[in-house]
Amino acid sequence: EDQVTQSPEALRLQEGESSSLNCSYTVSGLRGLFWYRQDPGKGPEFLFTLYSAGEEKEKERLKATLTKKESFLHITAPKPEDSATYLCAVQGGIQGAQKLVFGQGTRLTINP
Amino acid sequence: DGGITQSPKYLFRKEGQNVTLSCEQNLNHDAMYWYRQDPGQGLRLIYYSQIVNDFQKGDIAEGYSVSREKKESFPLTVTSAQKNPTAFYLCASSPLWGRNTGELFFGEGSRLTVL
Repeated sequence: EDQVTQSPEALRLQEGESSSLNCSYTVSGLRGLFWYRQDPGKGPEFLFTLYSAGEEKEKERLKATLTKKESFLHITAPKPEDSATYLCAVQGGIQGAQKLVFGQGTRLTINP
Repeated sequence: DGGITQSPKYLFRKEGQNVTLSCEQNLNHDAMYWYRQDPGQGLRLIYYSQIVNDFQKGDIAEGYSVSREKKESFPLTVTSAQKNPTAFYLCASSPLWGRNTGELFFGEGSRLTVL
């Protein structure tokens, strides 16, 4: 069974204080690993897709990396507007083309 | 603009009542999904559909029903058989083919509360 575990559950940083969020996964035949951002009371918004170990993607202050067992979302010099819950999900080959398995998310708070 | 529209945003239900949540998309996506989100938990898949008039159960389909009569629409009915329906419900869509099938577009969500 495919599984995704995110850590920490919550993270509070000062503005400008860089850190990383972790997503550990087990999957049969990784088709893709996805990061989403979710603001309170809203639907998730797609950020990145990573397909193979060693791959990296960047967007503004965010950089996602992937190994064979985990992914990291690095946040460099964050601003208060980066506060959100960040969700990680995997898509495995055996489960079929459409099914994603989500982690429970990391709630990130950036204090000014 | 293209997107997904869910309604209502807030819904209150008495025990024993069925309620239907609407989901409409104009992204021309073939695949559509319903997820449930509870506090501190990840999204759990209720139902998904890859084509009109066809849909598959997800991990927590008991107490829910769906239909897919049009490509643009995928309504979810929460029946009285669902024992703990209070949750945040999210509809999503995606392409059916290609590498970006996991890049879901989500609606704004519907929050259901059972009184």
